[in-house]
Amino acid sequence: GENVEQHPSTLSVQEGDSAVIKCTYSDSASNYFPWYKQELGKRPQLIIDIRSNVGEKKDQRIAVTLNKTAKHFSLHITETQPEDSAVYFCAASIGFQKLVFGTGTRLLVSP
Amino acid sequence: EAEVAQSPRYKITEKSQAVAFWCDPISGHATLYWYRQILGQGPELLVQFQDESVVDDSQLPKDRFSAERLKGVDSTLKIQPAELGDSAMYLCASSPKGGKNTEAFFGQGTRLTVV
Repeated sequence: GENVEQHPSTLSVQEGDSAVIKCTYSDSASNYFPWYKQELGKRPQLIIDIRSNVGEKKDQRIAVTLNKTAKHFSLHITETQPEDSAVYFCAASIGFQKLVFGTGTRLLVSP
Repeated sequence: EAEVAQSPRYKITEKSQAVAFWCDPISGHATLYWYRQILGQGPELLVQFQDESVVDDSQLPKDRFSAERLKGVDSTLKIQPAELGDSAMYLCASSPKGGKNTEAFFGQGTRLTVV
C-alpha cells in the first residue's frame, strides 16, 4: 500500500522567512496530493492540493510542487507569519481511494 | 457552511467497556472516512466507505473495532472492548464522489481517553 514520508518533523523559522516541507510517496499510481494544516486542538483543514497532471500550484503565499518521477512533493510558504504556526500534513491518494497522511511537520514561526 | 458533525466531542471510558462514535457527513458526500490520530502523529485511516459499502478496512483492528454506514449517510464506529492504547482522537471526514473536487472535509473529532 501507499506510504508517505514527511520531513522535517519540526521546523522553526523567523517571521518573514520561507518554509519548505517535503514529502515522498511510494505508490506511483497516486494522483492526488493535498496539504492540511492543523492548529492545536482543531480539525485538519485543507490549505492547498495538487493533482498529478500539474507540476506546480500557487495560492498567495503558499505553493506546492510535484515531481512525479522522483515521487516527491513539497509545500512552500513564503513570508511566514506567526499565524502560520501549526502542524502541516501532506497526504496522497489514488483518486478517491485511501487518503494516506504523512507524519506531520510542526512549524513554529517566531516574531 | 456545511460541516461534518461528530459526537461526542470527548469520551472517557474504562478499559474493557464498549464505546461508540457517531459521524454525520456533509450532505451528498458519498465517501466517508474514519481516521485515528494519536497525539503528535498523522491521521491513520481505519475505514473508508463509498456510500454504504466498505472500500478499505485493512487497518481496522477487526477483533475489537466495527464500523457501519447502513443507509449510506451517517456512520458509527464502535470499539468493544476498549483498551488503554485506543486513547486517541477519532476523526471522521467526508468527500464528494466524482468531479474535480476530492477534498476531504474533517469533523471536529472525538477525543477518547481510556482509563
